Order: sequence, then C-alpha cells, then structure tokens
Amino acid sequence: GAVVSQHPSRVICKSGTSVKIECRSLDFQATTMFWYRQFPKQSLMLMATSNEGSKATYEQGVEKDKFLINHASLTLSTLTVTSAHPEDSSFYICSAPANTEAFFGQGTRLTVV
Amino acid sequence: GEDVEQSLFLSVREGDSSVINCTYTDSSSTYLYWYKQEPGAGLQLLTYIFSNMDMKQDQRLTVLLNKKDKHLSLRIADTQTGDSAIYFCAETTGRRALTFGSGTRLQVQP
Repeated sequence: GAVVSQHPSRVICKSGTSVKIECRSLDFQATTMFWYRQFPKQSLMLMATSNEGSKATYEQGVEKDKFLINHASLTLSTLTVTSAHPEDSSFYICSAPANTEAFFGQGTRLTVV
Repeated sequence: GEDVEQSLFLSVREGDSSVINCTYTDSSSTYLYWYKQEPGAGLQLLTYIFSNMDMKQDQRLTVLLNKKDKHLSLRIADTQTGDSAIYFCAETTGRRALTFGSGTRLQVQP
C-alpha cells in the first residue's frame, strides 16, 4: 500500500517554542491531507484539512494561528505548533487519502515541558 | 454531525474468538475501516469494507456490515496475545476525513 512518512516521531520542547511536524506521501500525490490529534486514552479527533495550494480548513475549536498548516507541494504538508504550552502535549497524526484507503503517518508524540 | 460508537473494553482468552462492535450514524458512509493501535504507536489499517458489501474475510479477520442498522463488527478468530491493542472503527464518505470511534481496548489473557 501507499506510504505516508511523518517526522519527527517524538519531540520534547520548552513552553513558548514552536515545533514543526512534517507529513510526506512517499509514493503518491496527495492534494488533501488530514491532521488529527489524539489525547491519552482517547480517540483521534480531526484538527484540520490541509489543501495543496490553498488555505487549510480548521475544525471548530482549533486555533488556526496556533496550529499553522502549510501544504507546499503535492507530497508534503507541515503542521507547526506555535508558542507551545504543556496542554498541547499530545499525539499528532497525519493522513492522506489514496483511492479508497486512508494512509496514516507514524504519528508524532509531542511533549511540552 | 457524524458519530461512531464502540464499547470501550473487551477481554478474551487466548484461542477464543473476539468480536468488536461499532455503530455509526451517517447513512451516507461509503467506506468503513478497522484500525489497530498498539501502545505508543500509530495506526495500522487492518481491513476495510465498502458499504455495498455485507461481509469481508481476510485470514483471521471477518468484517460484518449491517447497513440497515448501521452496525459494523470485527471478528478475530483464534485470538493471540499479540492481538492485544486498541481497535478503532472509522467511517467516511470518501470526500472527507475519517470519523473515528472511541476505540475498544482488547485484552487477551493467556
């Protein structure tokens, strides 16, 4: 199946700093990618839809100025958590649809200290 | 909006069959998925079914879909300790992101 690579897999940062997470589709083009967040022992919640060549679409309650999404090419979407706070600590995972399937990155565990 | 529900926990003995159930509300759901998540890891796609199917079998996995009742189930035959994980069902019409259930934690006892 298709491969989606997400980097980094783990990151620890200090409060107030910014962290960039990359999501790449390695063997297919993705005009749309989805970013999810998963808090401990909870399900995945959609944060935003990343659209190549246009602005991302954010779900209700997700601050677009805090979670910056850039879909610079057909194979790369980035999520930048700006001015991170401890409550932003979570598991972030991206997904790209290909044909009938949704392929997921490995996820990024963000810890803000 | 769309809603997907699952029971939170299931415990079985090694060698038994496991059945994980899921219900959804969106009658326009076209694709229904089962994902496995092990501790600290990402999501692994186990199988999926189109809404025009009522059953799909893949080795030890059997998916049953009752579209009328909007009920999806995953049966794992001969459950092994390595099957212990959280199982998520998810649905989409294909043009939007997946909506996930809350996940069912499967515990397999030796």
